[in-house]
Amino acid sequence: DTEVTQTPKHLVMGMTNKKSLKCEQHMGHRAMYWYKQKAKKPPELMFVYSYEKLSINESVPSRFSPECPNSSLLNLHLHALQPEDSALYLCASSQDASGNDNEQFFGPGTRLTVL
Amino acid sequence: DQQVKQNSPSLSVQEGRISILNCDYTNSMFDYFLWYKKYPAEGPTFLISISSIKDKNEDGRFTVFLNKSAKHLSLHIVPSQPGDSAVYFCAAGNSGNTPLVFGKGTRLSVIA
Repeated sequence: DTEVTQTPKHLVMGMTNKKSLKCEQHMGHRAMYWYKQKAKKPPELMFVYSYEKLSINESVPSRFSPECPNSSLLNLHLHALQPEDSALYLCASSQDASGNDNEQFFGPGTRLTVL
Repeated sequence: DQQVKQNSPSLSVQEGRISILNCDYTNSMFDYFLWYKKYPAEGPTFLISISSIKDKNEDGRFTVFLNKSAKHLSLHIVPSQPGDSAVYFCAAGNSGNTPLVFGKGTRLSVIA
């Protein structure tokens, strides 16, 4: 299994809603990532989990809250988002968080629209 | 400050010809480089990588060249096929420090 899966594919939420994005991989990877991608822009790193511990938070607002329940799962909890948070949210995983040729495998993304 | 630059936002190539996508970087601490391909509404797909100890890596129709002194890498696709039409992102990383830094992407259109 060389796949990273993400649910849901699409999500529309209001500014007062609470929702969660889910990501799963069964490749035995020990590093998992959340990226945000706006149209026609490169992916922007949000969080990195290494061995289930948060190792990097790229100054992301607290309305985004990551969680890594186990080595295969990564969640992103959303609360009180703004319309400008509408984007494609990508999850990725890699073998670990360091080392050469450590390619990241990306999921298909969740297209989030905040109304 | 853009550490990874893809100066061509788009490129059009005829089917069967060579596509050359370029990428420049500024951070000399980067020691591995990757190319990702992205179709609309999909996540980026890893294509090919190169470590800083090499100057060339080949995988089928795809070859990546690295010129460390110029801080420049390029992806060659030969022969180009219509299915190669996508946005290509160059990314760079450091083995001691995780996050990949992505360029802004180049949209490749292969015309039949």
